[in-house]
Amino acid sequence: QKEVEQDPGPLSVPEGAIVSLNCTYSNSAFQYFMWYRQYSRKGPELLMYTYSSGNKEDGRFTAQVDKSSKYISLFIRDSQPSDSATYLCARRGGNKLVFGAGTILRVKS
Amino acid sequence: DTAVSQTPKYLVTQMGNDKSIKCEQNLGHDTMYWYKQDSKKFLKIMFSYNNKELIINETVPNRFSPKSPDKAHLNLHINSLELGDSAVYFCASSQTGANVLTFGAGSRLTVL
Repeated sequence: QKEVEQDPGPLSVPEGAIVSLNCTYSNSAFQYFMWYRQYSRKGPELLMYTYSSGNKEDGRFTAQVDKSSKYISLFIRDSQPSDSATYLCARRGGNKLVFGAGTILRVKS
Repeated sequence: DTAVSQTPKYLVTQMGNDKSIKCEQNLGHDTMYWYKQDSKKFLKIMFSYNNKELIINETVPNRFSPKSPDKAHLNLHINSLELGDSAVYFCASSQTGANVLTFGAGSRLTVL
């Protein structure tokens, strides 16, 4: 079992839709969770990170961690074509970040 | 000014050859990483150096040898290339213990 599981998609939505991206993880000791965004032919860049449980909001993006169900979510409101990218969830364990497989998101105008 | 720069961006080579990828960061970070991203976009850590010292060495064939001449540089040398080595290799850097990694643009290796 991978440490962080993520549906690869692709997920295709119309412009303006609310997008929900999800990951599950296996080890309840994980405390730090991150979302990275990767545009085609580019390196991943940090979008948001959260510690333990709860929500964190940044503009149109909300990251949510549910430790009881080991679920990590990223919500994108009013999605734009420029949000089309691969979204990778990650958790920190010791000295390294472990990534999920990434979900490809396509926002159609 | 590019924060994490990798060269070359593209590399096409024959099986059995030896090749190197270079990485440099100008962010003043003390930790650098090599990640491999396969065709399914799965990003997996290979190595990490902290102040020139190897701190992470995942299950990677010993044909792969990282070298860090100083904390701003981390190179990756690959011997006897195999078809399965075809992937995008990303260099990244961070401060020690930080959750924020800054990635380079990647080096796309194709082994024929």
